[in-house]
Amino acid sequence: GENVEQHPSTLSVQEGDSAVIKCTYSDSASNYFPWYKQELGKRPQLIIDIRSNVGEKKDQRIAVTLNKTAKHFSLHITETQPEDSAVYFCAAPYSGAGSYQLTFGKGTKLSVIP
Amino acid sequence: DVKVTQSSRYLVKRTGEKVFLECVQDMDHENMFWYRQDPGLGLRLIYFSYDVKMKEKGDIPEGYSVSREKKERFSLILESASTNQTSMYLCATTTGQYGYTFGSGTRLTVV
Repeated sequence: GENVEQHPSTLSVQEGDSAVIKCTYSDSASNYFPWYKQELGKRPQLIIDIRSNVGEKKDQRIAVTLNKTAKHFSLHITETQPEDSAVYFCAAPYSGAGSYQLTFGKGTKLSVIP
Repeated sequence: DVKVTQSSRYLVKRTGEKVFLECVQDMDHENMFWYRQDPGLGLRLIYFSYDVKMKEKGDIPEGYSVSREKKERFSLILESASTNQTSMYLCATTTGQYGYTFGSGTRLTVV
């Protein structure tokens, strides 16, 4: 299987500052790394993902970077806003073709202070 | 948009009861998953299914079973509910190779 470690477990930032969440994974064959955002009382939703053939992907204020050598990937949120407050989960796939299982990190609770 | 519907938002059951959690998706997706979510533990995979009548154990299958008689429906069964199964249960299906869509969750309390 896959082991995914996520840090920090909680993160508080001032509105307008940047936030960075890091994850490490164990399976060097993993090739897909999604990030999910879960607002309070709601379902997790995919916000960005990256495949192993690229090192960085951006979508407006969020970006994900991948270092395959070190087996870690990070979520970067710039110019944070109160609506960014949520729990964020990283994930990586189990090894084994076709199973589409994801192993999730334990989550990071991000609080953006106005 | 893919819709994943979980039949109950909140459930309260007694210890020892048999509990059924239902999940229905409105697209023709082969892969469906059941996760439980607990504070500080994240999302942990209980069971998944990649086709009708097919099922595979995840990381924490003990005390659970599943049923997939039709492609659109994936049921999680707690054979004899216990208090340590009090949790949020999330169903998911794939929209793409790995892009999960989650249901809104069932918060189960076992008393």
